[in-house]
Amino acid sequence: ELKVEQNPLFLSMQEGKNYTIYCNYSTTSDRLYWYRQDPGKSLESLFVLLSNGAVKQEGRLMASLDTKARLSTLHITAAVHDLSATYFCAVALWNTGNQFYFGTGTSLTVIP
Amino acid sequence: DAGVTQSPTHLIKTRGQHVTLRCSPISGHKSVSWYQQVLGQGPQFIFQYYEKEERGRGNFPDRFSARQFPNYSSELNVNALLLGDSALYLCASSWGTGAPRTQYFGPGTRLTVL
Repeated sequence: ELKVEQNPLFLSMQEGKNYTIYCNYSTTSDRLYWYRQDPGKSLESLFVLLSNGAVKQEGRLMASLDTKARLSTLHITAAVHDLSATYFCAVALWNTGNQFYFGTGTSLTVIP
Repeated sequence: DAGVTQSPTHLIKTRGQHVTLRCSPISGHKSVSWYQQVLGQGPQFIFQYYEKEERGRGNFPDRFSARQFPNYSSELNVNALLLGDSALYLCASSWGTGAPRTQYFGPGTRLTVL
């Protein structure tokens, strides 16, 4: 069974600082997704990474994918309070159609 | 454009009862998936339906069942509810199933089993 692990599970950081969230997965996949979830809310799609070496950036968030290492990173630059949320990575396998395997989530709190 | 919609938003049931959750996908999307999210965890895949056929099933007991209608909306049914079924149930839609496509999630139904 595909395993998706994120670290750290909890992250408290000061505004203006940089940090990286890591997502490791256990089997070959070339499609990696990042979602954001605010407390009590649903999941919002942030990035879709479709190939080895893919890099996507939106505002203060940048995601990358290394399929050889089975690793994706979500880098936060100059954090602001509005980025406080839980971030999930998810992997989908071709042979399971559109079944997504989600990571454990990283709960991010940005402190003013 | 309307996103994925789910009903009801909240539900309280007692052990042993059954529940039906409903989902309408984004217009034009033919695939609907259901996920269970227990507090503090990532969503866990339950079912995927495409063109009214079951295309995937996660590791959930037979008490869980689902179906998809000709208009691509879907129902998730859970029988003989247990306390452990308390969770946020998320519906996600996507255009198809051929290649893993971005799934767009609805607001969820929060089920509490007492």
